[in-house]
Amino acid sequence: AQSVTQLGSHVSVSEGALVLLRCNYSSSVPPYLFWYVQYPNQGLQLLLKYTSAATLVKGINGFEAEFKKSETSFHLTKPSAHMSDAAEYFCAVSASGGYNKLIFGAGTRLAVHP
Amino acid sequence: EPEVTQTPSHQVTQMGQEVILRCVPISNHLYFYWYRQILGQKVEFLVSFYNNEISEKSEIFDDQFSVERPDGSNFTLKIRSTKLEDSAMYFCASWDREEGPDQPQHFGDGTRLSIL
Repeated sequence: AQSVTQLGSHVSVSEGALVLLRCNYSSSVPPYLFWYVQYPNQGLQLLLKYTSAATLVKGINGFEAEFKKSETSFHLTKPSAHMSDAAEYFCAVSASGGYNKLIFGAGTRLAVHP
Repeated sequence: EPEVTQTPSHQVTQMGQEVILRCVPISNHLYFYWYRQILGQKVEFLVSFYNNEISEKSEIFDDQFSVERPDGSNFTLKIRSTKLEDSAMYFCASWDREEGPDQPQHFGDGTRLSIL
């Protein structure tokens, strides 16, 4: 069975600071991993995905994530936070890619202050 | 870019009433999903649907829930007798096998269901 743990339900950073959102997964098979962002009163937008092609994955809006099998982690980073990055971020895992159900983490709410 | 559309965006219903949430998946997609997100909590899988039948469902998806693809474009979630705890945001998603297993599901903007 798959599961996802996101450490830190709330993260607050200053504008221009590094963003680090943590995600650890558990999977009995090679996982497909996704990061989604949810802006207030909106749906889920894909930020990036890991599908075994490369361990460092670049996504939209300057975000990237690194897959570390030894640590079962897929942390999301952005070198310099922008006010518009304030949102909720969800890490998700799937056993078989898009075909299978997604298992989501609890989410991390990112606040960016001036 | 094609997108998944959901209607209505907000539904208010009296407890005990039936409610139908509607979704129009991306036109060439064949796999459909419903997820829900109770306020302040994580997104939870409800059900997946392929070839006109349920392929998987969670323990949340009890006899009060049903899904249907009534025509070639709509995918619906019905809750027969709503409870207060059904209040949540419901997301529809779709996926196309032709895109490959590494491609993500595409989500709609959700329907916020409020049970009074």
